[in-house]
Amino acid sequence: DAKTTQPNSMESNEEEPVHLPCNHSTISGTDYIHWYRQLPSQGPEYVIHGLTSNVNNRMASLAIAEDRKSSTLILHRATLRDAAVYYCILLHMYSGGGADGLTFGKGTHLIIQP
Amino acid sequence: EPEVTQTPSHQVTQMGQEVILRCVPISNHLYFYWYRQILGQKVEFLVSFYNNEISEKSEIFDDQFSVERPDGSNFTLKIRSTKLEDSAMYFCASGDAAELFFGEGSRLTVL
Repeated sequence: DAKTTQPNSMESNEEEPVHLPCNHSTISGTDYIHWYRQLPSQGPEYVIHGLTSNVNNRMASLAIAEDRKSSTLILHRATLRDAAVYYCILLHMYSGGGADGLTFGKGTHLIIQP
Repeated sequence: EPEVTQTPSHQVTQMGQEVILRCVPISNHLYFYWYRQILGQKVEFLVSFYNNEISEKSEIFDDQFSVERPDGSNFTLKIRSTKLEDSAMYFCASGDAAELFFGEGSRLTVL
């Protein structure tokens, strides 16, 4: 599986933007970039995913480098509820539907200060 | 909002006993998964299930494990003869390839 590298932890203040980086220099052309997060004592939660273009949804934005070797998850205005472990995962998705199982790394532990 | 539900939330069992963990996926989803997370460690993929059969499984998912979708709504994970190292939080997920919805997990403690 292609590997991702994330900082172990990051700290931010409430109501400020947060930029969570992810390096994936060995990404292949068919790998999608997925982000999940895990709040304390909960199951993982889907955040966003993309292939080449930047993506926005109600939770976050995903900025993907032109060479696709890195990406950044952007939380536009962090709240205390965003304190979680954020996982950047490369996922091979099949053209007919379905995908490999997600391979979670250690992720980035995001701490939000009030 | 629809959600994946798992039962039991916590099960304590003796080593060697059989355990069945149950999941009710979101009703229109076609892909089902089991993951586990040993305390303090990474979330690990166990198995994926599509069209009433296993589509992928990890090395962890050995002969002691099995999955079933017995009635079109439930999705179960059976551990035939539990070991101490099976103690973990087990997460069920359903969805499509792009977006998975995870349950809150079932904590299994093997004594």
